Amino acid sequence: NAGVMQNPRHLVRRRGQEARLRCSPMKGHSHVYWYRQLPEEGLKFMVYLQKENIIDESGMPKERFSAEFPKEGPSILRIQQVVRGDSAAYFCASSVDSNYGYTFGSGTRLTVV
Amino acid sequence: GDSVTQMEGPVTLSEEAFLTINCTYTATGYPSLFWYVQYPGEGLQLLLKATKADDKGSNKGFEATYRKETTSFHLEKGSVQVSDSAVYFCALPHGSSNTGKLIFGQGTTLQVKP
Repeated sequence: NAGVMQNPRHLVRRRGQEARLRCSPMKGHSHVYWYRQLPEEGLKFMVYLQKENIIDESGMPKERFSAEFPKEGPSILRIQQVVRGDSAAYFCASSVDSNYGYTFGSGTRLTVV
Repeated sequence: GDSVTQMEGPVTLSEEAFLTINCTYTATGYPSLFWYVQYPGEGLQLLLKATKADDKGSNKGFEATYRKETTSFHLEKGSVQVSDSAVYFCALPHGSSNTGKLIFGQGTTLQVKP
C-alpha cells in the first residue's frame, strides 16, 4: 500500500507562471489536507478537502491559489502567477476521516525564480 | 489564538546523550497534543500523542508528558542515536475546529553525531 504520493518533488517556476502540485492520497483515504512550510517556519494549514468538496479553505491566500479533489484522480493545488514569496515546501496529508491520523507525503519544493 | 512554541535549533548531541526538546502551547481547553518527526527527504510522521492532561505519549524510546499546569509537552529521549537525526514538530488541533487541521510549531532540528 503506497503512502501519500506527491509530485513533482521539486518544481521551479519563473515569476508569473502557474504551478500545479499533485497529491494522491493513500488508498481508502478520502480526506486531504494541504500545508505550506515557508523557510525557517512550521507548517501552516492551507485547505481541507473531501472528494469533490472543499471543507475548509481558511488558510488559503485569497488570490491566485486554488485546490480541488475530483471524484477521480489526485488532489491538485494550483498557484497562478507565482511570485518569489510562494517559494516553499508544500505538503499534502490524507486520512480516513477527520481525526488526526494523518499520513503525510514527502512534499513538493517550489522555487520561484 | 491557539499557538505552539518550540525551542530553536539546531540541537546537536553526541550519540547516547539525553535529549529534551521543549514545547509550550496556548489553547482553549485541553486539546490533544502531538509530536511529529520528519526524516531527511521524507514527509512528516506521527511520533507520539497525548489526549488529556497527565497522559504520557511514548514511541521508539521517545516520551512526552502532557502538563496542563505549565502548558507544556516536552519531548525526551534517554539515549539518542544517529538515526534520530531529523526535524521534530510539536502540534495541536486548531481551536474548536472539528475538521482535523493542526497548528504546528516551527520545528526543531536534531543532529546526532557518532
